[in-house]
Amino acid sequence: QSALTQPASVSGSPGQSITISCTGTNSDIGSFDLVSWYQQHPGKAPKVLIYEGIKRPSGISTRFSGSKSGNTASLTISGLQAEDAANYYCCSYAGRTTWVFGGGTQLTVL
Amino acid sequence: QVQLVQSGAEVKKPGASVKVSCKASGYTFTAYFIHWVRQAPGQGLEWMGWINPTSGDKYYAERFQGRVTMTRDASISTAYLEVTTDDSAVYYCAVALIIDYAFDIWGRGTLVTVSS
Repeated sequence: QSALTQPASVSGSPGQSITISCTGTNSDIGSFDLVSWYQQHPGKAPKVLIYEGIKRPSGISTRFSGSKSGNTASLTISGLQAEDAANYYCCSYAGRTTWVFGGGTQLTVL
Repeated sequence: QVQLVQSGAEVKKPGASVKVSCKASGYTFTAYFIHWVRQAPGQGLEWMGWINPTSGDKYYAERFQGRVTMTRDASISTAYLEVTTDDSAVYYCAVALIIDYAFDIWGRGTLVTVSS
């Protein structure tokens, strides 16, 4: 099972919007609407932002949104804030009770 | 409240074995699989596999087969991950509790440092 492909880094200025892509295959993202996104600050555990591709858990800001097209999922963060600077990971269910993570994207808020 | 409390940091020599624990509280331990996730320093997250706390059934991702062992003691709501250490990493336990197919509860991680 190969890791999902994410850009290594993205950046944006406060107030702007950014999008992080996550590309998989027909065996994971393309087969299931079960992509989740996680935010991880240095030294902390990951925190789920999006699940089932587009849904937000209770307490997660509406500035975070998810989408999917084919084998690619995306996370959009609108109205960038300094506290959004972190690493972001996508994860997809890949069938037969297996999961796969992306390589991670470092977000820099300029 | 719902939490997963992991054991403390360890320092091991290359090739040694280490056993990390993950104690669950605030929910029914046997109702949800425990997943383990590895993160090498400065690297991304890797899903390692899961254990069913009720039956003890487990699944290891291909990359970790032969290198890890997952066990549990349901009487004390604790899951264990035993790994043969070749390089340093943080090991997280996680549960898909409220959300299906996504990990909404995480332990704080256990750092295993490998040093000769």
